[in-house]
Amino acid sequence: GESVGLHLPTLSVQEGDNSIINCAYSNSASDYFIWYKQESGKGPQFIIDIRSNMDKRQGQRVTVLLNKTVKHLSLQIAATQPGDSAVYFCAENTSGSRLTFGEGTQLTVNP
Amino acid sequence: DAGVIQSPRHEVTEMGQEVTLRCKPISGHNSLFWYRQTMMRGLELLIYFNNNVPIDDSGMPEDRFSAKMPNASFSTLKIQPSEPRDSAVYFCASSTADSNQPQHFGDGTRLSIL
Repeated sequence: GESVGLHLPTLSVQEGDNSIINCAYSNSASDYFIWYKQESGKGPQFIIDIRSNMDKRQGQRVTVLLNKTVKHLSLQIAATQPGDSAVYFCAENTSGSRLTFGEGTQLTVNP
Repeated sequence: DAGVIQSPRHEVTEMGQEVTLRCKPISGHNSLFWYRQTMMRGLELLIYFNNNVPIDDSGMPEDRFSAKMPNASFSTLKIQPSEPRDSAVYFCASSTADSNQPQHFGDGTRLSIL
């Protein structure tokens, strides 16, 4: 039957563990990718981005990996904290300034 | 620095009423985006502007929706007449015109049409 709504993939981790959130993107011509974090009642917050001429980029506690061969993007969060609990979205630049967002992954960090 | 500012944060109104959502982008950003987020469809781009000019409005659902950007520091999204299916969270985002720069989002307007 028809789904009532989006069924977000979920990831549950223990505090202090590393988290890996995955994303498959659709357009092989996309040249720019972004990860956003969205907490309840707030707008998506920029975390980290990567251009297609790179395959890895690191930030503070976060790393983004890009595999263009299989059109796959991942976000790694080191030493996950309760404050990291949120929905995480990947986004790809499909044309001009237009971003296409993935469905999101709900990350829950257990104390 | 102030981020993207949206108002109101919440709006509850009866169907048939006109609804106006407002957005102030980050100073210096010349691209502005309106999105809608629902449980059914996720985050959808409605329209975006570069230098106050609408570039892509293919995501605007119907003629009941309109958006304007009279100057670089202000945009509105209007729904007239509103319908219950318009209930959603509406986000505004801004960025520099460089397509390889992130969009920065406001905290949205939660719209409920009764």
